[in-house]
Parts: sequence; structure tokens; C-alpha cells
Amino acid sequence: GESVGLHLPTLSVQEGDNSIINCAYSNSASDYFIWYKQESGKGPQFIIDIRSNMDKRQGQRVTVLLNKTVKHLSLQIAATQPGDSAVYFCAENIGTSGSRLTFGEGTQLTVNP
Amino acid sequence: DSGVTQTPKHLITATGQRVTLRCSPRSGDLSVYWYQQSLDQGLQFLIQYYNGEERAKGNILERFSAQQFPDLHSELNLSSLELGDSALYFCASSANLLVDTQYFGPGTRLTVL
Repeated sequence: GESVGLHLPTLSVQEGDNSIINCAYSNSASDYFIWYKQESGKGPQFIIDIRSNMDKRQGQRVTVLLNKTVKHLSLQIAATQPGDSAVYFCAENIGTSGSRLTFGEGTQLTVNP
Repeated sequence: DSGVTQTPKHLITATGQRVTLRCSPRSGDLSVYWYQQSLDQGLQFLIQYYNGEERAKGNILERFSAQQFPDLHSELNLSSLELGDSALYFCASSANLLVDTQYFGPGTRLTVL
């Protein structure tokens, strides 16, 4: 079946470094992608999104890159802080008669002080 | 705070029982989604309702059902509970039917003993 998957289950960085979290997707019909951050015991929190007609989108300290040729998505976090420690999920959306998100397995980001 | 509320926060029950989880979407959002998060399955889409009607269905068990009421709040009913139903259940909402940002609630942690 078609799925979204993450390349690295864990990522450890030093405070102040930049972080890059990667995601591969296999459904070429996906038209919308979202990155979520999930802290322990909480619900997924929206970080940034990108539509399939774009290849880059920037937010506050975060950038999402979309490469449709190789079906790859990445989340870049600048100047990573301890508060960024969490599990990060990419999700893809296909909207036809309704809408659903298909989530990747998640990457645990740990920021060391 | 996403604006999506869920009750109860925790639920402990026995096998064979039935429970109801409740979700109130963000003000103005017409779509409500239910997701299940377990350790071995990750975040899985269950079902979507839009303005009271079911619009998309994922791998939702026949023992599970949902509905969306005229005031747009939603309930997820889980019956004949099994140990394997223990999981976090998240509700999300979005403004529109199709491609749109989904905002997640804090979840209900269900434990089946």
C-alpha cells in the first residue's frame, strides 16, 4: 500500500544547531503536507504546511521543503532549542470526497543543552 | 491550545464494555476527524464528519461508530472493548471538507483492563 515514512526514528542535536527531519512519501496524488510536533502526553501540534504546487515554505524558525520528483519532504528547524524536543510527524493529505491524513512513523528529536 | 476540546482526558474500563468519547471542534470548523494512536500502529485515521455527515472512513472497526451533532460536536463510541483498543484517541477539526489544516485536541487516553 501507499504510505508515508520517516528516514530516521531518532535525532539528537546540540542546542543552537540546525535540525533536519526527513520524510518520504509514496503517493504521488497527495496534494497537501503537514508537519506536526507531539510532546509527551499531548496532541499533535501544527507546525507548518505546504501544498503540492510549492517546493518551499518558511515559518518562524522552520522551513519545509518539498521535492515531488523524489517524493521527499523535510523539516528544517533553525537554532534548535530544548523546547523543540518532541516527536515530529509528517502527514500527507489526499482530498477526494473527504479528507484524511496519513502519518509517518515519527522522529524523536532530542536537543541537548 | 488548539481550540479543540476532548473529554474525558482519561478513561479506564474493562473488556466487553462500551465507552463514549466526546469532541468539540474549534469555533467555526465544520469537519471533525477521529484518529487512534497506539504504540504499534502509530497515528491512524478512523473517520471524518463534515457538517453532520460522514465523509471519509479509514480502518475503523465495526465495533466503533461516530456521529456529529447539529452543534458540530462529535462523539466516538467504542463497544465490546478489547485489550487491544487501549490507545490514545484524538479528535481534530478543520474549517473545510477537503484539503485543510487539521488541528488536534489533547486526546483521550483509553485503558482497557
